[in-house]
Amino acid sequence: DTGVSQDPRHKITKRGQNVTFRCDPISEHNRLYWYRQTLGQGPEFLTYFQNEAQLEKSRLLSDRFSAERPKGSFSTLEIQRTEQGDSAMYLCASSWGRGHYEQYFGPGTRLTVT
Amino acid sequence: QQQVKQSPQSLIVQKGGISIINCAYENTAFDYFPWYQQFPGKGPALLIAIRPDVSEKKEGRFTISFNKSAKQFSLHIMDSQPGDSATYFCAASMDSNYQLIWGAGTKLIIKP
Repeated sequence: DTGVSQDPRHKITKRGQNVTFRCDPISEHNRLYWYRQTLGQGPEFLTYFQNEAQLEKSRLLSDRFSAERPKGSFSTLEIQRTEQGDSAMYLCASSWGRGHYEQYFGPGTRLTVT
Repeated sequence: QQQVKQSPQSLIVQKGGISIINCAYENTAFDYFPWYQQFPGKGPALLIAIRPDVSEKKEGRFTISFNKSAKQFSLHIMDSQPGDSATYFCAASMDSNYQLIWGAGTKLIIKP
């Protein structure tokens, strides 16, 4: 399968714990995006990378959130000191090129903070 | 100005009918308008996309109509099938940063 993959698919954690999610983009794609989606809403942009460089971060991405894309391949999104409001679907997408090329999404990681 | 407004919130269509979902935007800097389909528990899947230099784009049963002067665009699903039952999102982005700004979604139910 050459699509975008995300791991884990589901994560349940207690408030205050740290969690890390992984995204593996389509292999030839140089751009990688993270979005957050809550139930009944459209996704909200969090951040994106071109190769290994993080080019933009949303104001939604508080200092508890950090994302990396070492070597321009897979990416990780870490949430420190999780809060109940962090419960959401975290979606990763990738695309190729410098323009409005199609963003292809992974299946998402469903985070539940208890 | 960054918003994309989508309507209706939900839609029920008989099998074989035409499903129409509408979106409106304010920021004239947007220059790429995709539609995504999402099934429960899955990530969004790109259906079709349009740029503002054309007024219509068709791919199979899916058509985007684009009205630049009204800042509106719509998705038409012809011969709607039960398998089309899903949530549909419109989105928009601009050349400067490519992040997608999403509508709130339309839950489409096709009745057999």
